[in-house]
Amino acid sequence: GQSLEQPSEVTAVEGAIVQINCTYQTSGFYGLSWYQQHDGGAPTFLSYNALDGLEETGRFSSFLSRSDSYGYLLLQELQMKDSASYFCAVREGTNAGKSTFGDGTTLTVKP
Amino acid sequence: NAGVTQTPKFQVLKTGQSMTLQCAQDMNHNSMYWYRQDPGMGLRLIYYSASEGTTDKGEVPNGYNVSRLNKREFSLRLESAAPSQTSVYFCASSGGRSNQPQHFGDGTRLSIL
Repeated sequence: GQSLEQPSEVTAVEGAIVQINCTYQTSGFYGLSWYQQHDGGAPTFLSYNALDGLEETGRFSSFLSRSDSYGYLLLQELQMKDSASYFCAVREGTNAGKSTFGDGTTLTVKP
Repeated sequence: NAGVTQTPKFQVLKTGQSMTLQCAQDMNHNSMYWYRQDPGMGLRLIYYSASEGTTDKGEVPNGYNVSRLNKREFSLRLESAAPSQTSVYFCASSGGRSNQPQHFGDGTRLSIL
């Protein structure tokens, strides 16, 4: 089976940088994804890491260390609209299309 | 471009009633998924379909059945609804390859009394 751990809540101020960590235990691993979900909305895809290292997409970056079973999402220049829940998800080795999600981190951005 | 469309958006059922949640995607994706999300929790996979004609159980399949009607449509059926199935249900689709993201519908908010 799969298990993922991420902090339940993070608070930061507008303009700051925040890092959301994710550790995982999995029997098969194809990659780590990150999704954003605003309250009452649908999850939307942010980033995907299959190999070790940093992937950058605008203000968001995602990092993966396969040897440490660890990844993080880095949000820079925080804006109020970034207040949302962020989920890490592991793509499983037995079926490349199937993912297991963590319980999510609620990010609150304060003025 | 609609993406993933779920119907209905809201539904209230009584215990023991049956219901089918509908999902359709227009992105020509091979894989489709049904998740449930309880308050303050992550997404838990109920069933998935890696390709047309195949379905597999996910983490929490008990009390549910699915049908992959064709490449576009993937329905979720509750045969005898129970209060424990009160949740938000999300349908998603993806190209199926490991580097392709899942695209989610807007969800169905289901309450069972």
